[in-house]
Amino acid sequence: GQQLNQSPQSMFIQEGEDVSMNCTSSSIFNTWLWYKQDPGEGPVLLIALYKAGELTSNGRLTAQFGITRKDSFLNISASIPSDVGIYFCAGANNDMRFGAGTRLTVKP
Amino acid sequence: EPEVTQTPSHQVTQMGQEVILRCVPISNHLYFYWYRQILGQKVEFLVSFYNNEISEKSEIFDDQFSVERPDGSNFTLKIRSTKLEDSAMYFCATQGGRGTEAFFGQGTRLTVV
Repeated sequence: GQQLNQSPQSMFIQEGEDVSMNCTSSSIFNTWLWYKQDPGEGPVLLIALYKAGELTSNGRLTAQFGITRKDSFLNISASIPSDVGIYFCAGANNDMRFGAGTRLTVKP
Repeated sequence: EPEVTQTPSHQVTQMGQEVILRCVPISNHLYFYWYRQILGQKVEFLVSFYNNEISEKSEIFDDQFSVERPDGSNFTLKIRSTKLEDSAMYFCATQGGRGTEAFFGQGTRLTVV
């Protein structure tokens, strides 16, 4: 199956620190996506990546689509308290599959 | 901004009862999905739907589950005879094209008692 391995499972950081999380798969994906989920809400798209090697930024967020098409990472620079939440990677071919999520806690 | 709308936001049902969860997709979107998220756990794929038929379904999506788009608007998920372990958040997602980003609804919290 199209399993995604996302790490780390959780992170506890100080406000202002940078964050890095990644996703790997044994399968190739044509699209990699990163979502953030706040408690009680649906996942909200942060960044979409469509080409191998693509590096895309959205404010303090930067994500890359791995050359092998089997991995992606998300970086958050200078974290702030509202960055708290669960971050999910997703790989898409015909359907989307999600990683298990990275739970981010930011201490002021 | 267009959005995916799900109703109800919260449903409590007795074990063994049927429930229908509803989703209004973004207009002109063609691909529809249901995902499930048990509290504190990952988002799990249930089923994808395109051109009025199921494209793919997971092992979770057994005979108790069905989907349809009866009126070309609402996309529904029916659970025929609910079990306690069906308690979860159910998210609808829609895509405009294959492999593009999906947009999620706010979810329906289903509680089976």
